[in-house]
Amino acid sequence: DAGVIQSPRHEVTEMGQEVTLRCKPISGHNSLFWYRQTMMRGLELLIYFNNNVPIDDSGMPEDRFSAKMPNASFSTLKIQPSEPRDSAVYFCASTPSGGGYEQYFGPGTRLTVT
Amino acid sequence: AQSVTQLDSHVSVSEGTPVLLRCNYSSSYSPSLFWYVQHPNKGLQLLLKYTSAATLVKGINGFEAEFKKSETSFHLTKPSAHMSDAAEYFCVVSEQSGTYKYIFGTGTRLKVLA
Repeated sequence: DAGVIQSPRHEVTEMGQEVTLRCKPISGHNSLFWYRQTMMRGLELLIYFNNNVPIDDSGMPEDRFSAKMPNASFSTLKIQPSEPRDSAVYFCASTPSGGGYEQYFGPGTRLTVT
Repeated sequence: AQSVTQLDSHVSVSEGTPVLLRCNYSSSYSPSLFWYVQHPNKGLQLLLKYTSAATLVKGINGFEAEFKKSETSFHLTKPSAHMSDAAEYFCVVSEQSGTYKYIFGTGTRLKVLA
């Protein structure tokens, strides 16, 4: 069982550049979550997909952020243009179902925007 | 609305002594409750979960937690701390009625002294 896979593990980019983070959920899981973790704000839910459909994107900070899930085994989180305040660790998680079940987290992508 | 409060931001114990990490929750429904552990530069790993079965829940690595509805608590314990237990621990509440959202506590950093 490979678990949730995220890439890259580390990303350093300059302000204004486009950043794309990638996630492969656990096979058979039909719900996927993107989180952001910072010292100041802790863990924040950015967006939730169920069966590849975005259900709740109310946590997406602003229009610079977008997420897609073209199929059951792949999702992307894109930031364009990136800003220094986007520096954080971004986690992807998946679960067999959206309600009340444990979420399985990936190792995270540490993003640094200079 | 649900909420979760971790009563200690930092806890220090000596190796071989008991661990107690405190968590109180508030929920309008029958909650699902989870404890996750995060080691430095790693993702979140599920330690244990409560979903309305037995009130005493056993998890991995010797951890357990007891759901006490009258006290709205879900404290995490371990009889004997090991150096490898040093990490950050998150208490999480999720509505059992089918809501997918996790409400995270602010975390407790456990330090284990040799």
